[in-house]
Amino acid sequence: QSVLTQSPSMSGAPGQRVTISCTGSSSNIGSGHGVHWYQQLPGTAPKLLIYGNNNRPSGVPDRISGSKSGTSASLAITGLQAEDEADYYCQSYDSSLSGWVFGGGTKLTVL
Amino acid sequence: QVKLVESGGGVVQPGRSLRLSCAASGFAFRTFAMHWVRQAPGKGLEWVAVIWYDGSNENYGDSVKGRFTISRDNSKNTLYLQMNSLRAEDTAVYYCATEYMVGATRSDAFHMWGQGTMVTVSS
Repeated sequence: QSVLTQSPSMSGAPGQRVTISCTGSSSNIGSGHGVHWYQQLPGTAPKLLIYGNNNRPSGVPDRISGSKSGTSASLAITGLQAEDEADYYCQSYDSSLSGWVFGGGTKLTVL
Repeated sequence: QVKLVESGGGVVQPGRSLRLSCAASGFAFRTFAMHWVRQAPGKGLEWVAVIWYDGSNENYGDSVKGRFTISRDNSKNTLYLQMNSLRAEDTAVYYCATEYMVGATRSDAFHMWGQGTMVTVSS
């Protein structure tokens, strides 16, 4: 079981807005550690989409955004495109475990 | 350009050892903390280990603690992962990754990733 909890799968039609959630606890997301999001296309390494809850690295489009509240975080993708079909992972640091932790991943299907 | 290239993966019997390498280029390797992250076939991502930029500190995930050792050679721009007492559950693609730096501050996010090297533990 992953320390951070994500829904295993989601889907949306092209052009729609989808939100992927990530639930943690007081020792990770709730303790003030940043939440980060990754996109992983089949057969490739993960790509950083959001760092520090709501910041985009250079090159990530602004239709992708992140937010955090309490012990949960969300990744929003607007104007869904076929190339957004991928696995998405949230990640943070856990003070109790003294280590980096991931969510189990959400498989996003574009209908 | 920035490049991380892992090597050293392969098929190994349970209980044996393997050493992975990650060759870095195109950035100031000696200024970045480095991580190993793994992904079992069809599964999610799992953090394995971290080493500070100067090698002064390291930390491990509970599943590998006492069996794996992370190290680095800044003169060779190379990161290593010594894996001992391998188990079937260590079968995974192993990625090396840098942390995303916000100015001079570490962000705890994984920024640059290699392409990964597959380790299969099987008799």
